[in-house]
Amino acid sequence: RKEVEQDPGPFNVPEGATVAFNCTYSNSASQSFFWYRQDCRKEPKLLMSVYSSGNEDGRFTAQLNRASQYISLLIRDSKLSDSATYLCAVNRAGYGNKLVFGAGTILRVKS
Amino acid sequence: DVKVTQSSRYLVKRTGEKVFLECVQDMDHENMFWYRQDPGLGLRLIYFSYDVKMKEKGDIPEGYSVSREKKERFSLILESASTNQTSMYLCASKVNTDTQYFGPGTRLTVL
Repeated sequence: RKEVEQDPGPFNVPEGATVAFNCTYSNSASQSFFWYRQDCRKEPKLLMSVYSSGNEDGRFTAQLNRASQYISLLIRDSKLSDSATYLCAVNRAGYGNKLVFGAGTILRVKS
Repeated sequence: DVKVTQSSRYLVKRTGEKVFLECVQDMDHENMFWYRQDPGLGLRLIYFSYDVKMKEKGDIPEGYSVSREKKERFSLILESASTNQTSMYLCASKVNTDTQYFGPGTRLTVL
């Protein structure tokens, strides 16, 4: 089983739609969780950290479910500019400096 | 604003050549990382460094070595390039919080 798994998609959605991605992780001792966004042929950039209480940034909401060991990202009112690959990252428990990345979920927002 | 730069955006080398990829960050970060990114596999950690002259193997160190002689610079070396090392190489840096900042990447092709 991979340490971090994501549905690769692609998720094809119309503008204005709400879309959600999940990311499962295998190590229950992991403490830090992140969503990164990667545009085509660009480097990943931090979208948001994921806290136990969940967090929201505008149209984006991230949640953590420790019992089921997954994190989620919800995007409301999708824009064309949201089209990208979304990577989840989880710290490797016991190795605080190391992050393990999922392979990414492709989102395509269409007009 | 954090800036991580990489020496080349695109590189073409021949099998057996020695290849140097350089990464420089301007934020005095202790930790620096080298990843490779391949379709369907996501980002995989090759090596990381938590201080000058310190290095640790990541998940796929075979065929690679690194050098960190100065805090701001982290070099990845392919001792004898092979075709299976054709990939996108991404450098990242961070302080002891978990946000990693990535460089723009080097797309290496080995013929």
